[in-house]
Amino acid sequence: AQTVTQSQPEMSVQEAETVTLSCTYDTSESDYYLFWYKQPPSRQMILVIRQEAYKQQNATENRFSVNFQKAAKSFSLKISDSQLGDAAMYFCAYYNAGNMLTFGGGTRLMVKP
Amino acid sequence: DADVTQTPRNRITKTGKRIMLECSQTKGHDRMYWYRQDPGLGLRLIYYSFDVKDINKGEISDGYSVSRQAQAKFSLSLESAIPNQTALYFCATSDAPGVEQYFGPGTRLTVT
Repeated sequence: AQTVTQSQPEMSVQEAETVTLSCTYDTSESDYYLFWYKQPPSRQMILVIRQEAYKQQNATENRFSVNFQKAAKSFSLKISDSQLGDAAMYFCAYYNAGNMLTFGGGTRLMVKP
Repeated sequence: DADVTQTPRNRITKTGKRIMLECSQTKGHDRMYWYRQDPGLGLRLIYYSFDVKDINKGEISDGYSVSRQAQAKFSLSLESAIPNQTALYFCATSDAPGVEQYFGPGTRLTVT
């Protein structure tokens, strides 16, 4: 079974600074997808970014980018120019041909003004 | 209007009671999912369905059952609720494997 580990239960960042959230996963598959989802206090799950494992280029969405290291099975999320609205729980997730989306335990990000 | 809706949004029930959580979607997706969220554990898959005639168990299906009444409707039932089923429950949809899943607003269930 695949596992997804987020080793940082909580992180904090100063507004306008950059923060990196860590995620590692365990798999024997070569073809899969990785995601970062954001859950603000409203509890709505919102997709932040998606990465296809066969693509070497790291995905980017505005202020959000990933560092995908396939050999190391690492998928970290970098948030640049942090804003107060970025405060939320962030979940890393893995999807493969088994049709299951497996989530990590989450990282709570606090943004200080 | 929201694309994925869940009812109720919050529910308190007693041990042993039967309860149904409902999910509806207007996105026209064939794939629907039920997850539960517990602190520190992230979301875990309970059941998923790829069409009306297809139902599959997820990681933690014991104590739960589902019904896919139509392409747009997917219900989750707890036949005899127990306190450790207290959690936040999410419904989600997608139109293909490996793409974004769209989540409902969640149902907070408390079993006393």
